[in-house]
Amino acid sequence: NAGVMQNPRHLVRRRGQEARLRCSPMKGHSHVYWYRQLPEEGLKFMVYLQKENIIDESGMPKERFSAEFPKEGPSILRIQQVVRGDSAAYFCASSPATRGYNQPQHFGDGTRLSIL
Amino acid sequence: SQQGEEDPQALSIQEGENATMNCSYKTSINNLQWYRQNSGRGLVHLILIRSNEREKHSGRLRVTLDTSKKSSSLLITASRAADTASYFCATEVSNTDKLIFGTGTRLQVFP
Repeated sequence: NAGVMQNPRHLVRRRGQEARLRCSPMKGHSHVYWYRQLPEEGLKFMVYLQKENIIDESGMPKERFSAEFPKEGPSILRIQQVVRGDSAAYFCASSPATRGYNQPQHFGDGTRLSIL
Repeated sequence: SQQGEEDPQALSIQEGENATMNCSYKTSINNLQWYRQNSGRGLVHLILIRSNEREKHSGRLRVTLDTSKKSSSLLITASRAADTASYFCATEVSNTDKLIFGTGTRLQVFP
């Protein structure tokens, strides 16, 4: 009974390196959402994707951040040239393909990114 | 700015007592949801209340929604030490699939 799977659970990068975070949605789900959580804060919406399409990226920083959800394989959140301020927990959530409004999102356990 | 603001930020109670958390929001919504987060883990969905509903129950949880005041409350009755966690409200903004989260209430239940 696989839920939303995120890997890695912890990722350490040095400033200037690239970070790649992966998310496999629940079986049967084709809608993926990425959120960022700073310590002691709530989650901040970043991007909403369906297979091969970005639906809403209004929460994504304009530079260095990108996301994709290919036809095959997991969704990837990519952060280029990381800076200390990128240190956070990144959560992925998914919802069903037939999603209408008024359905909950299912969350993974997150990737904790630390920038040295 | 945050859509949701929660109150209190932190709450400490004894086992068996009730815990009440409040959430305020700013825009029109499809629904309001409450999630729980244990330390170092992802969010677990607790309950969803639609914009045309006023009250909803699930086990020891009771949620109210007042759309005229743009506020909601979560009541956990007969709390247990295992209820210790952070609780977040999240609003699904009208005509979108986007969830906007509040700042959270950290609940500590002492045995």
